[in-house]
Amino acid sequence: KAGVTQTPRYLIKTRGQQVTLSCSPISGHRSVSWYQQTPGQGLQFLFEYFSETQRNKGNFPGRFSGRQFSNSRSEMNVSTLELGDSALYLCASSAWGTPNTGELFFGEGSRLTVL
Amino acid sequence: AQSVTQLDSQVPVFEEAPVELRCNYSSSVSVYLFWYVQYPNQGLQLLLKYLSGSTLVKGINGFEAEFNKSQTSFHLRKPSVHISDTAEYFCAVRGYGGATNKLIFGTGTLLAVQP
Repeated sequence: KAGVTQTPRYLIKTRGQQVTLSCSPISGHRSVSWYQQTPGQGLQFLFEYFSETQRNKGNFPGRFSGRQFSNSRSEMNVSTLELGDSALYLCASSAWGTPNTGELFFGEGSRLTVL
Repeated sequence: AQSVTQLDSQVPVFEEAPVELRCNYSSSVSVYLFWYVQYPNQGLQLLLKYLSGSTLVKGINGFEAEFNKSQTSFHLRKPSVHISDTAEYFCAVRGYGGATNKLIFGTGTLLAVQP
């Protein structure tokens, strides 16, 4: 069973640009979450999607957005990049429904560097 | 709302020695608890989880954790560590119920195993 796949793994952008990150969940998983990981702030929740609907959103500015497609694949977009957006962006998929233990399966992440 | 505290940012230990990584949580509702491990340049991998039942939980790679409701703790232990256990360890919590799989993570503990 394939794991969570994130693309690209590494990317470098300059301030003001925008970036789109992609995540393919484990087959059968309908829930996808995104987290930002930085040395200073640790793991911060960005958003969570289930069946193409955003179920939960973290405390990030509107420059951060996401979506989920009918095949459960998800993308997140960051517009007008700032230096502070440099981070490892982790995608996680999970099952949904009963019993729902909330166990998250993580991809290897997309490491974004903003210059 | 939930919160997690990992008091030790770094734990140095010699190979074959025992180790304990501390985790305390706060929640107004019952919780699920998790320990994840992150190796350099990788995503998070689930070590073990507490859902209900026995308070002693065994996970992969010889790790175990004990849920203590009265002390709101979920400390991770291993009787004998190896060099390969060097990694960052994250404790996470999720409250029962609610239409979300959002996990709240601690700030992480870097386990540094020395020969």
